[in-house]
Amino acid sequence: SQQGEEDPQALSIQEGENATMNCSYKTSINNLQWYRQNSGRGLVHLILIRSNEREKHSGRLRVTLDTSKKSSSLLITASRAADTASYFCATGAAGNKLTFGGGTRVLVKP
Amino acid sequence: KAGVTQTPRYLIKTRGQQVTLSCSPISGHRSVSWYQQTPGQGLQFLFEYFSETQRNKGNFPGRFSGRQFSNSRSEMNVSTLELGDSALYLCASSFTYRGPVSTDTQYFGPGTRLTVL
Repeated sequence: SQQGEEDPQALSIQEGENATMNCSYKTSINNLQWYRQNSGRGLVHLILIRSNEREKHSGRLRVTLDTSKKSSSLLITASRAADTASYFCATGAAGNKLTFGGGTRVLVKP
Repeated sequence: KAGVTQTPRYLIKTRGQQVTLSCSPISGHRSVSWYQQTPGQGLQFLFEYFSETQRNKGNFPGRFSGRQFSNSRSEMNVSTLELGDSALYLCASSFTYRGPVSTDTQYFGPGTRLTVL
């Protein structure tokens, strides 16, 4: 079973616009990670936010975490065609086991 | 530094057969985890190995097994294949295993796409 639910399931935007996706989870975590997947290939790690952090930035990515609401959001600013991919949140609770959400498919139109 | 490698990349098997997939982690990484990705169930954790010992196991039947060698390379085996085992199998490596304290960043390989006919 999946820990998280991602919203929206799909997103279509124009190049240069911002893309925001949300992730909710159910149980206590020690961190939350975001990954990108292009066309059924391997997952690329984007960012890790620890349970005691509220916000983290990496380049054009901004991640927030609200442990009281058990939710996180990923913002991609000034999107590019190359950002077209599926984005997954994954929670870590014990060991290196990650529990993934269902993913958000993002299409960036040139 | 080379990334996680998985072999083979594609595999076609028939029901009832068995299959072995291989994963070589990033140099220096000692933890290897396996995941199954299907359109219906999404990404699901299979198991994790660290120092040749299984540290964590997902909710899969006993037909799914794995092992890790002293050089941290890992294999997973699926016996008596079923149609529902068709999936992308992803291997991920991380530097270490921290128990319940923390979850390391996982670095994923390109996956092995298994098709069961």
